[in-house]
Amino acid sequence: AQKVTQAQTEISVVEKEDVTLDCVYETRDTTYYLFWYKQPPSGELVFLIRRNSFDEQNEISGRYSWNFQKSTSSFNFTITASQVVDSAVYFCALSEGNTGNQFYFGTGTSLTVIP
Amino acid sequence: ETGVTQTPRHLVMGMTNKKSLKCEQHLGHNAMYWYKQSAKKPLELMFVYSLEERVENNSVPSRFSPECPNSSHLFLHLHTLQPEDSALYLCASSQEGASGPVSYEQYFGPGTRLTVT
Repeated sequence: AQKVTQAQTEISVVEKEDVTLDCVYETRDTTYYLFWYKQPPSGELVFLIRRNSFDEQNEISGRYSWNFQKSTSSFNFTITASQVVDSAVYFCALSEGNTGNQFYFGTGTSLTVIP
Repeated sequence: ETGVTQTPRHLVMGMTNKKSLKCEQHLGHNAMYWYKQSAKKPLELMFVYSLEERVENNSVPSRFSPECPNSSHLFLHLHTLQPEDSALYLCASSQEGASGPVSYEQYFGPGTRLTVT
């Protein structure tokens, strides 16, 4: 079974719109870590955020915000006032506490921001 | 150089060739990884080197052979590849937790785009 599900394969928005990328995860561990990465056309995955399972506080970084809800096993990512430079593939990933360096990635959401 | 570098960036090879991919990390990390990224599939973890010891993924064909001479360098030796091995190969590094299972973010290189003809 897929441990990380990103149901949205492709999303297109017009510049300045807000967009939310969904991530649902599955684990039986009580200690786990969640991550978001951005992959621009150049190919390199860029780390955006790491969150551990004991910290459910939402986080905001500039135009980016993350909503972690253990009750629904979701870790959604919102971009406010999207810009063309936000166009990329975004990956959500899970790492379980007892296998720290085994990352489970979702299939990614391709975001296109139209000027 | 900063971060994680990979060479070459692009590689075209025939099925009978032997080639190697190189990865170098300049972050002082103690764990390194090889991933395969194919279209429409999740990233597949191929190999992990943690504190210079190899953690092997048993589903990786033997035509892929990793080598980690030290904590900063990682190689992926390729031989007798198949066309379905064409993909983006990504290297990553991270810092292992000093005590207990702690998972820190992995930092990725730009990848090697491999085409097998």
